[in-house]
Formats: sequence, C-alpha cells, structure tokens
Amino acid sequence: GESVGLHLPTLSVQEGDNSIINCAYSNSASDYFIWYKQESGKGPQFIIDIRSNMDKRQGQRVTVLLNKTVKHLSLQIAATQPGDSAVYFCAENIGGNQAGTALIFGKGTTLSVSS
Amino acid sequence: DTAVSQTPKYLVTQMGNDKSIKCEQNLGHDTMYWYKQDSKKFLKIMFSYNNKELIINETVPNRFSPKSPDKAHLNLHINSLELGDSAVYFCASSQAGGYNEQFFGPGTRLTVL
Repeated sequence: GESVGLHLPTLSVQEGDNSIINCAYSNSASDYFIWYKQESGKGPQFIIDIRSNMDKRQGQRVTVLLNKTVKHLSLQIAATQPGDSAVYFCAENIGGNQAGTALIFGKGTTLSVSS
Repeated sequence: DTAVSQTPKYLVTQMGNDKSIKCEQNLGHDTMYWYKQDSKKFLKIMFSYNNKELIINETVPNRFSPKSPDKAHLNLHINSLELGDSAVYFCASSQAGGYNEQFFGPGTRLTVL
C-alpha cells in the first residue's frame, strides 16, 4: 500500500499568499523525496527534491522542508499565483540509488488560488 | 521537442479487447516506467525497465505486458480489458539511479466500456 500521504486533500489560498502543503511518510528507509505538480490533463511535473541528509532546500519561490524525526515533508510556495493551481504530490524513493527504483506517491493536495 | 510522448492520448474500448499504449522518450535516458493513476488521482507504479530489462513488476495482472524494443521506447500492451482498467496511464523516464528526476509523459486516458 501507499506509504506517503498528505494531510489535506484541498487547500484554497488568495493570490499573493504563501502556501504550505504537508505530507507525512511512514517508511524510515526512504532517503529521497520529491514534490510534483500536476495540472489538469497533464502529467506530473517535477518541482523540487530533497535527500535525507538535508532538512531544507530552496528553489525559485518554493522551499521543501524535511523533518525525519516525525517523518514529515512540506512544500512552501511563496507569493502563490493563479498558475500554481494544480494537484501537488509528494513522493518518496525507498530503493536508494538502484536503477529502476520507483516512486511511491501520496494522495495529492489540490491547490486552488483565487485572484 | 517533446521529452516523453505517449500515444494515444485517449483510448475508448470495449471490455475484452486488447489494446496497446506507446511511449517514447528522446532524453537519452536508460530507465523507463509505467504508472497508473486512478479516478481518485492516486498514482502507482506498474513497471520499470532499465536498459530494456524489467526491474519492477508491481503485482500487476499478467494481462498487462510491457515491451521495450529499445531504450527509448516502453510500450504497454493490455489483453482482455476489464472495466477496472479504466484509468490514466503515465509513462516516465529518468537517468539510471533512484536519485534522478523522473520525467512524465502527458498520460493516456483509457476508458473501458
């Protein structure tokens, strides 16, 4: 079964607000985590990743935080824009660096941004 | 210059039929995958291939048979389609190694009537 889940299925924010999407994982062996964005009718698109030897990583307007103690992952989106509206998935890799290792996806959070 | 492409985008068919979905990547990746996304948006791995060799077969019915004629292609053939096979199927590819980004195709929406 799934080992990665999200706390909230939906999140509604106003344009310009900061958004925080949370994810809990259950497999202590997971050492690589990824956030994907999926727009309607499209495939998942990579946003940002983090290895388990880090607790924070920043990209353009996005930050991923990893708390291994409580097995929690979060995605922060600064100054959320209407174009950020999508379903966001966290995913984990429990197979290390082996070729062909699959991602285990959580259920997804639908982010709705109103202007 | 689509990185990962799938055909067809939509597939509507009757129960019991056999159908195929094709996937091609032009990224020069060694590893390709098939994921299934159900009606609740849950994404689950089906297969992964590395250098044309099967790595993961995630308890998928043997009616599903992936075929990798070369590293750039991973096709999915489904026999005796059932209603429960209705879903969106995504192909993905990555460089070898689990710490590399997986690039997803646009998906194929399969509807079994």
